[in-house]
Amino acid sequence: QKEVEQDPGPLSVPEGAIVSLNCTYSNSAFQYFMWYRQYSRKGPELLMYTYSSGNKEDGRFTAQVDKSSKYISLFIRDSQPSDSATYLCAMSIPNFNKFYFGSGTKLNVKP
Amino acid sequence: NAGVMQNPRHLVRRRGQEARLRCSPMKGHSHVYWYRQLPEEGLKFMVYLQKENIIDESGMPKERFSAEFPKEGPSILRIQQVVRGDSAAYFCASSHPGTVAGNTIYFGEGSWLTVV
Repeated sequence: QKEVEQDPGPLSVPEGAIVSLNCTYSNSAFQYFMWYRQYSRKGPELLMYTYSSGNKEDGRFTAQVDKSSKYISLFIRDSQPSDSATYLCAMSIPNFNKFYFGSGTKLNVKP
Repeated sequence: NAGVMQNPRHLVRRRGQEARLRCSPMKGHSHVYWYRQLPEEGLKFMVYLQKENIIDESGMPKERFSAEFPKEGPSILRIQQVVRGDSAAYFCASSHPGTVAGNTIYFGEGSWLTVV
C-alpha cells in the first residue's frame, strides 16, 4: 500500500465550478499537509500548508484535513482556466524531514 | 530572486556522456532534496542532503548516480554514462528544518534532461 493515494484524474470541469481534490494516507504520524500546483514543464509551486486537523482558507482555495479519516482535501471555488494544472498533495512527519507525495491529479477547467 | 535556482533548465546528452545538474537552495535554507519526474508520472524521491552530508539516499539508483552538497557552492546531481531511460525532469527542493515552516519544501523550476 502506498503511503499517499491520489486519484490521477484527469478531472474536467466548466469554468466557475467548485473543484474538490482529495488524498488519502495510511500513516497516522503525518502532521503536516501540503498542496502543490504544477503547470506543464514547471516546478511544483506550494499552494497551501496546514498543520494537523482543520481548515485553512486562502482566497479561492480551502485546504481541509480530517485526521480521523486520514483524508485531506483541496477545494477551489470559482475555478478558472488558469487553474488547469496538476495538483499534488504531500505530507510529512514532524522533524523527520521526509516528504511523501501523491501522484498528482490533473485538472482541466474549460472556458 | 530568493527562490530555489536550478541550472541548466534544459540539457541534451548523448548516451554514455555525463550530466551535471546544479541547485542553489532558497536563501537561508540548509537542506536540499532531489526528485525525478518521468513524463505523466509523479515525483520520485532520490536523495536528501545537508551541507557536506548525505542524510538519505534511499531513492538513488545504485550505479551511475551521485549527489553532493559542498560547504561552498550549489548542490550537484551527477549522472554518469547516461542512458535513454535517464531522460526526465529533475527537481531540486530546499527546506530549513527547525523553523516554523521547516516541515515543508520549496521547489525549483527543474532541469529537463534529454538523452539522445
